[in-house]
Amino acid sequence: GDSVTQTEGPVTVSESESLIINCTYSATSIAYPNLFWYVRYPGEGLQLLLKVITAGQKGSSRGFEATYNKETTSFHLQKASVQESDSAVYYCALGDMIYNQGKLIFGQGTKLSIKP
Amino acid sequence: GPKVLQIPSHQIIDMGQMVTLNCDPVSNHLYFYWYKQILGQQMEFLVNFYNGKVMEKSKLFKDQFSVERPDGSYFTLKIQPTALEDSAVYFCASSFYRGSNERLFFGHGTKLSVL
Repeated sequence: GDSVTQTEGPVTVSESESLIINCTYSATSIAYPNLFWYVRYPGEGLQLLLKVITAGQKGSSRGFEATYNKETTSFHLQKASVQESDSAVYYCALGDMIYNQGKLIFGQGTKLSIKP
Repeated sequence: GPKVLQIPSHQIIDMGQMVTLNCDPVSNHLYFYWYKQILGQQMEFLVNFYNGKVMEKSKLFKDQFSVERPDGSYFTLKIQPTALEDSAVYFCASSFYRGSNERLFFGHGTKLSVL
């Protein structure tokens, strides 16, 4: 079936260090997957961080990047230098570009804490 | 930015009772969604709704569940009767474009505890 697996949290990184949160997906019933990272900051609702709809492309936002790799079925989230304000829960998600009804398949979420 | 509001933030009810979860979507949005997240598990799609109709529902959307948005008021999820396994956080979302995955705006969630 279709599923998303991401780095199990919680993850703690020191400020200014680099970060990678792994995400792999399985899209057996989706011909043209879209991939997303959503984020929930403390006290806020889930919001879109970045998205990529074409395999091989990279998305970026707020210093974060993720490349849609169809060969390895991965969409890892990376940041070269994290800040304290990046503390949040990050969710990788899979969508369907063709049958596109707002139905997203989410990973379990990775709680990220940044040490000052 | 645009906000989706969910009321209440926490609801505690006895098994077998009816519960209505309320969502105030972004004002000009046309598509509405409910997702369910059981503690420690992934957030899962329940249903989407457009123009007064359910467009798609998952197997989690049991017969006891119903959704409506009468006359542009709250978008509601009603569970009647509730069961213990309905305990979860329910997230409402809305979007302007049809099936626009990238434009989903989520609420903070309503934690439902069924005793």
